[in-house]
Parts: sequence; C-alpha cells; structure tokens
Amino acid sequence: ELKVEQNPLFLSMQEGKNYTIYCNYSTTSDRLYWYRQDPGKSLESLFVLLSNGAVKQEGRLMASLDTKARLSTLHITAAVHDLSATYFCAVEPYFNTNAGKSTFGDGTTLTVKP
Amino acid sequence: DSGVTQTPKHLITATGQRVTLRCSPRSGDLSVYWYQQSLDQGLQFLIQYYNGEERAKGNILERFSAQQFPDLHSELNLSSLELGDSALYFCASSVGGISGNTIYFGEGSWLTVV
Repeated sequence: ELKVEQNPLFLSMQEGKNYTIYCNYSTTSDRLYWYRQDPGKSLESLFVLLSNGAVKQEGRLMASLDTKARLSTLHITAAVHDLSATYFCAVEPYFNTNAGKSTFGDGTTLTVKP
Repeated sequence: DSGVTQTPKHLITATGQRVTLRCSPRSGDLSVYWYQQSLDQGLQFLIQYYNGEERAKGNILERFSAQQFPDLHSELNLSSLELGDSALYFCASSVGGISGNTIYFGEGSWLTVV
C-alpha cells in the first residue's frame, strides 16, 4: 500500500523567510501533484511533476521531484501572507495495477506572519 | 472559478438514506474524478471516469457508486449512509484520461449525516 508522508504538518513562518515542505512516499510512483487549499475552500492545482528531476516554479513556490529518493519538495521563497494555506502532495502510480489512484499526504498548514 | 460545477453545495440527511451528488466538468474535459475529504481520513481519491468509462478506482465503498453520462456530467450515489460518511465530496475534471494532467476542482458538496 502506498503511503505518503508530509512534513511538517504545521509550519509558522515569518514573512520574507524561506522554507521547504517535504513529501516522502513509500513505493515507486511516477506522478506527483501539489495542491493548495484555503480554509473552507476547494483545492487548487499548483504543480504536476512527471519525471525524476522535474522542477517547476510559479512565483514564490518551487517544486521538485526525486523518484529515486521517493521525495518531493515544495520550496517557499520570501514568504508572504497570501501563501498561508494548507498544501497537499499526492502521489499517483502510473504503470502498475494502482495506476491512476492518487494517494494524498495529510497536508501542511502554513501560516505566514508579518 | 474552476469551471467545475457541483450540486448541491450542502446536504443534511439521516442515517440509512441515499443521496446523489452531481458534477458538471469544465467544458472540454473528458475525465471526472471524485474525492472525499474528512477530518478522520483526510483526502481520499474515490474514482475516475474518462469519457463515460471507469478509469481508476480508489477507496470507494461498496455502498457508493458513480457514473459518467454521455454529456460527461457525473453523479456520485451514496447509499445506506452512516455518520462516518459525513464529509466534503469534491468533483474534479481534467482534459485527458491518463495521469499527469492538471486537475480542476469544484467547490465541493458538504454532506452531513445525522
């Protein structure tokens, strides 16, 4: 069974600081997704990472994937208050019998303080 | 606004009852996904349909069923409801059927079972 572990689960940051959220997963998988969820709201897709070494950036967020280490990171640069939200990673096998079945991490709740 | 429409937004029903949640995907999207989000179990992938056919099945209970109609809208049927089924149910859509596409989420349907 695929397990996805995010850490930290809670993160309080000062504006302007940098930090990284980690997403570890237990079995070989080929697709990794990052989502953002504001309180009481729906999910918003941030990044889709499709291969080992993939790196994607949007604004102050950068995501990377290391399939050999079974690790993805979401790096936050110079945090601003608007980034306060819960961030989820989801892992999806591609080639085996579990293809297409996403497994989510527990989410990292980020609070950016002035 | 993601373009994915879900109805109803809120629903309160009694244990043992049956409800139907409805989803209209974004224009042009052929895949529809269903997810459940609860405090106990976090975010879980339930099922994916692509152009009317079931594509991937996740942690969907036997009491739950879904289908995608020729006009591409989808319904999630929940029967013999239990208190533990109380959750936020998201529908999402994407263009393609294979993984790796950006997924767009609806606002969700809040189900409360009393």
